Amino acid sequence: AQSVTQPDIHITVSEGASLELRCNYSYGATPYLFWYVQSPGQGLQLLLKYFSGDTLVQGIKGFEAEFKRSQSSFNLRKPSVHWSDAAEYFCAVGATGTASKLTFGTGTRLQVTL
Amino acid sequence: DAGVTQSPTHLIKTRGQHVTLRCSPISGHKSVSWYQQVLGQGPQFIFQYYEKEERGRGNFPDRFSARQFPNYSSELNVNALLLGDSALYLCASSSLPGPSNHEKLFFGSGTQLSVL
Repeated sequence: AQSVTQPDIHITVSEGASLELRCNYSYGATPYLFWYVQSPGQGLQLLLKYFSGDTLVQGIKGFEAEFKRSQSSFNLRKPSVHWSDAAEYFCAVGATGTASKLTFGTGTRLQVTL
Repeated sequence: DAGVTQSPTHLIKTRGQHVTLRCSPISGHKSVSWYQQVLGQGPQFIFQYYEKEERGRGNFPDRFSARQFPNYSSELNVNALLLGDSALYLCASSSLPGPSNHEKLFFGSGTQLSVL
């Protein structure tokens, strides 16, 4: 069965600083990988996804993620964080053939200081 | 176009009661999925329906059931509520039942269920 680990429960960065959120996955085949963001009281918004091809994926709001098969990782990055990026970030893996069935990590809460 | 809509937004129930949560997918989307998000955790898959048929079920007890109607809206029912059922219940819609490079799930804002 697939699983996702987000080792950082909470991260604080200063506005304008760079950001990297870690995600490690466990899945036997080529995974479908996603990053979602959730603001308080809101649903989930897709930031980016990886299915195949280029291992560096660009998403919305200036985010990018890199798929590293050798490390089973799919880390999310942003070169310069804005105060509005403060939210909960979830990494998820979808099993081939059932992409609508996602397995999520426990999330990383991002706090941005001014 | 309207996104995924869920009702009610908040709900308070007592142990042992029954609850029905509702979801309307984006127009044209035939797939609806339900997820449970307990405070401090990531969402956990409960069900997926496509064209009124159950296509997937997560590791939840039989107290949880769902159905999809001809207009593709969906209901999630939970019987004999337990304190541990307190969570944000998210509905997501998609236009296809399975994977596609061009598809993604669209999530609603959820129903916050509190069981006292």
